[in-house]
Amino acid sequence: DIQMTQSPSSLSASVGDRVTITCRASQGIRNDLGWYQQKPGKAPKRLIYAASSLQSGVPSRFSGSGSGTEFTLTISSLQPEDFATYYCLQQNSFPPTFGQGTKVEIK
Amino acid sequence: EVQLVESGGGLVKPGGSLRLSCAGSGFTFSNVWMSWVRQAPGKGLEWVGRIKSKSDGETADYTAPVNGRFTISRDDSKNTLYLQMNSLKTEDTAVYYCTTIKYWGQGTLVTVSS
Repeated sequence: DIQMTQSPSSLSASVGDRVTITCRASQGIRNDLGWYQQKPGKAPKRLIYAASSLQSGVPSRFSGSGSGTEFTLTISSLQPEDFATYYCLQQNSFPPTFGQGTKVEIK
Repeated sequence: EVQLVESGGGLVKPGGSLRLSCAGSGFTFSNVWMSWVRQAPGKGLEWVGRIKSKSDGETADYTAPVNGRFTISRDDSKNTLYLQMNSLKTEDTAVYYCTTIKYWGQGTLVTVSS
């Protein structure tokens, strides 16, 4: 199975901060990566697909980049509603595998 | 509006069985590969398995921890996805989500405990 190593596992940030989360794949996955946001008690919501494509309806402060083994999710200016846990997901090969998650908390 | 609605969760004893359902609407269910993902309490997301569309062979694939115990099926005439879970273990306790990858249901809780 492809291992997805996500970092950091948690971070504290203030409203307006720029936040970057990284996922590293154990082998190349082209751009077959998505980013998801999950709030407590809710289902995940896809933010980014194909590494850098913004899901319709998702604010433009979210962006994704990377290819191969290194990927990043960036929130350009953190908003109160962005405090949540974020996961990456690779779909290059079966089984699809998630990163372990990054919890974004209020500083 | 796309909707995925899971049902069938509950409390079951170790070694028992349970069948989850997921009703889809707002999209052409028969064209879509469907998956199950679970999340143990306080833990991250884990892929369970997926089933391809009929046009792609309607085959199902599973992750190692559930292979041989869980079976995914679909009834396109009812726009419904199923997850048959047998020989349940305490470590199968989780919220189970059905998903198209883009869209997700609200989840149903399965608790395996004596």
